[in-house]
Amino acid sequence: GAGVSQSPRYKVTKRGQDVALRCDPISGHVSLYWYRQALGQGPEFLTYFNYEAQQDKSGLPNDRFSAERPEGSISTLTIQRTEQRDSAMYRCASSLYSGVEQYFGPGTRLTVT
Amino acid sequence: AQTVTQSQPEMSVQEAETVTLSCTYDTSENNYYLFWYKQPPSRQMILVIRQEAYKQQNATENRFSVNFQKAAKSFSLKISDSQLGDTAMYFCAFMKHQTQGAQKLVFGQGTRLTINP
Repeated sequence: GAGVSQSPRYKVTKRGQDVALRCDPISGHVSLYWYRQALGQGPEFLTYFNYEAQQDKSGLPNDRFSAERPEGSISTLTIQRTEQRDSAMYRCASSLYSGVEQYFGPGTRLTVT
Repeated sequence: AQTVTQSQPEMSVQEAETVTLSCTYDTSENNYYLFWYKQPPSRQMILVIRQEAYKQQNATENRFSVNFQKAAKSFSLKISDSQLGDTAMYFCAFMKHQTQGAQKLVFGQGTRLTINP
């Protein structure tokens, strides 16, 4: 079946604007993760969901960042009042419940000008 | 908290050579998983190989193999007969074992590997 998809693939926004990044996991994958990857660095965990429940949001940098997954499938990561330091690749991954292997989407490259 | 360290920011070898990428990690957990991910210029994240900490035997996937030293908390990746398509950023990652639910991946900083023709 189809892999993890993310949209938009590229987003350029002005400082102070809100952005919403979307992740559509592999069908049947219960667990969904968000990571952020700065240029030249490894991905850093932001948050994850099992079904619609947000299990761990310890990696969200501050309260401008939030995520939801209301029906246990598609997830949205929202960044309010964007700042230049938010510029990064935002990656989504999904797995089966208790699955060890996470399957990554292509990412959304966010640029805040 | 777990940490993963990749001490080689960049490596370069000739095609067909063997190359080893280093990774060390710090954890107080006894049961966990270790991974190597490949990120080619397309910036996709591709799982190369994984190792369960409770298994003594080193994992192998075709030209890719690992040297897992649990006591030393070391997890190196060996690529044999390297190919131009192996050119990529390689990330080592750690995951705690959990009987239920999912767990986050903790990544190292990456090693940029270039295979020269």
